[in-house]
Amino acid sequence: QQPVQSPQAVILREGEDAVINCSSSKALYSVHWYRQKHGEAPVFLMILLKGGEQKGHEKISASFNEKKQQSSLYLTASQLSYSGTYFCGTDNTGNQFYFGTGTSLTVIP
Amino acid sequence: NAGVTQTPKFQVLKTGQSMTLQCAQDMNHNSMYWYRQDPGMGLRLIYYSASEGTTDKGEVPNGYNVSRLNKREFSLRLESAAPSQTSVYFCASSLTGKSYNEQFFGPGTRLTVL
Repeated sequence: QQPVQSPQAVILREGEDAVINCSSSKALYSVHWYRQKHGEAPVFLMILLKGGEQKGHEKISASFNEKKQQSSLYLTASQLSYSGTYFCGTDNTGNQFYFGTGTSLTVIP
Repeated sequence: NAGVTQTPKFQVLKTGQSMTLQCAQDMNHNSMYWYRQDPGMGLRLIYYSASEGTTDKGEVPNGYNVSRLNKREFSLRLESAAPSQTSVYFCASSLTGKSYNEQFFGPGTRLTVL
């Protein structure tokens, strides 16, 4: 039930864009996105619920395609502060969800 | 508000020793969770408590026990530590157990079992 994230790692230069994908083999109730800096706790970015909505948070946005059972996180005009590991968490049952293995994002000057 | 707090921050155990990891939240949340994080494995749910007085197993419960002491506190106990339990442990809480509520994480406990 663990979602699959891709890519596993990505290196960007400041100002470049990136897309992180999260897919599940089962129908989804919701998708969470979190970012974790090295040695720190994961921090919430956004939640997407059934309905194919798209959300935005500054230059970070996400989409949720219910039919394809997947979500994508979009980072535009990346900044050094975006570096970290991004996790998606997906819920198949309405009560419990599972985190993906993470995507390591490194932004270099 | 402190949010979610965990103690201790670091711990080294010998195989077979026992210990309890403590977690507390001051956000009046109903649901609390224990995760372990291993390199390349992401966050895996050990146990969760949807509300005070209830606990349920997650993905990887073997070798652990939990206690929801009250609404604020949720502890994780290792009865007989094994090297495979070397990991970073995170406690989290959310307003309810429904997945439309975000989770707030504590700073983590780094546990090494020799």
